[in-house]
Amino acid sequence: KAGVTQTPRYLIKTRGQQVTLSCSPISGHRSVSWYQQTPGQGLQFLFEYFSETQRNKGNFPGRFSGRQFSNSRSEMNVSTLELGDSALYLCASSLDGSVNQPQHFGDGTRLSIL
Amino acid sequence: AQKITQTQPGMFVQEKEAVTLDCTYDTSDQSYGLFWYKQPSSGEMIFLIYQGSYDEQNATEGRYSLNFQKARKSANLVISASQLGDSAMYFCAMRRWSAGNMLTFGGGTRLMVKP
Repeated sequence: KAGVTQTPRYLIKTRGQQVTLSCSPISGHRSVSWYQQTPGQGLQFLFEYFSETQRNKGNFPGRFSGRQFSNSRSEMNVSTLELGDSALYLCASSLDGSVNQPQHFGDGTRLSIL
Repeated sequence: AQKITQTQPGMFVQEKEAVTLDCTYDTSDQSYGLFWYKQPSSGEMIFLIYQGSYDEQNATEGRYSLNFQKARKSANLVISASQLGDSAMYFCAMRRWSAGNMLTFGGGTRLMVKP
């Protein structure tokens, strides 16, 4: 069974640009969550999508947005990039988001802002 | 506020010995789940073990076991017979039923296994 796939693995952008990251969940998983990991702030929840609807959102500015498609694949978009957006972005999927289900993570997209 | 605390930023353990990584949590929820993840230097987060708040027995998965003390709000990870490949960052995380499918992570512990 294939795991969570994130593309691209590495990305370099400049301030002011926008970026789109992609995540394909494990087959059959309908819940997709996104996290940002930085040395200073650690791992922080961005948002969760389930059945094409955003079900939960973390404390991030509106520049961070996402969507989910009917096949459960998800994309995350960051507009007007800032230096502080440099981070590892992790996507995780679970069957339906029940509290006892583990989230399975992808390898992440490492975003660097110059 | 809901919080996860891992008080050991870094730890060394001798190969083949057991090691305990500490995790305490703070929540007023009755229904929650506790998870441990391993993150090697390559970046991927690997799920290790899960403990539910209503589970009466401590969870075990191979060489991993979770020492769950609900009254003390602690969920320590025990790794038996450490291997060199266990060297990584380890994160404790909590999901509360009332917060939906959102994991709150601790700051992590870097474990280094010595040959």
